[in-house]
Amino acid sequence: GQNIDQPTEMTATEDAIVQINCTYQTSGFNGLFWYQQHAGEAPTFLSYNVLDGLEEKGRFSSFLSRSKGYSYLLLKELQMKDSASYLCAVRDNSGNTPLVFGKGTRLSVIA
Amino acid sequence: EADIYQTPRYLVIGTGKKITLECSQTMGHDKMYWYQQDPGMELHLIHYSYGVNSTEKGDLSSESTVSRIRTEHFPLTLESARPSHTSQYLCATAGNRGTDTQYFGPGTRLTVL
Repeated sequence: GQNIDQPTEMTATEDAIVQINCTYQTSGFNGLFWYQQHAGEAPTFLSYNVLDGLEEKGRFSSFLSRSKGYSYLLLKELQMKDSASYLCAVRDNSGNTPLVFGKGTRLSVIA
Repeated sequence: EADIYQTPRYLVIGTGKKITLECSQTMGHDKMYWYQQDPGMELHLIHYSYGVNSTEKGDLSSESTVSRIRTEHFPLTLESARPSHTSQYLCATAGNRGTDTQYFGPGTRLTVL
C-alpha cells in the first residue's frame, strides 16, 4: 500500500524556525516533493529530493532519508505569509505514475 | 514552470446541468492530471493522462469523464452536476522525463445549487 503521514497542524512564531516532518511507505521511490498551498489557491512547488541529504533554497530546506522513509521541510526566519498548508508528495515508481500526496500540514505563523 | 490555464475560474450552476471544465497548457507536457479538493482538505486524483489518446481513472472518477485529443487540452466533463460536486478542481501537468515536477493550474471553483 501507499501511505504518507504528516502532522495535521503546527503553529510557530514569526522569525522562528519550524520543521515539518513527512514519513512515507510506498511500493517504490522515485522522488519526494514539497508544495505550499495558501488557502483557496493552488499548490505551488517548493522543493524536490531524490537522493539522501539536504537541499537548500533560500529560507526553505528539505531533507530526505530514503532508508528511513523520512523527509522534513525546514522553514527559517518565519514570516506571516508562510502561513499555509505544506504538502508532502512521493513519486512511488516510474515517472509515469501520479504523485501520492499526503493530507498536508496547516502551518499558522503568529506574531 | 508550466503555463497552465483553467476556465472558468468560478462557476455556479444548477443541479442536473452538464458542464465541462477546461484545462490547457503551453509547455508541451505529456502528463496531465485532474484533482478535486474541498476547502482545507486533501487532494483527490480524479483522472490523469500520459499523452494524446491516453486517459486513466484516479480515485474519484466515477461521475466524470475526460478526453485527451490534443497535447495542450485536457477537459473534464460532469454529465449531470450535483451539489456533492461543489468543490475546487485543479489541473496539473508534468514534463516528459520521469522525475519532472508536477505543476498546478489556478483551479476552478465550482458551486452546484
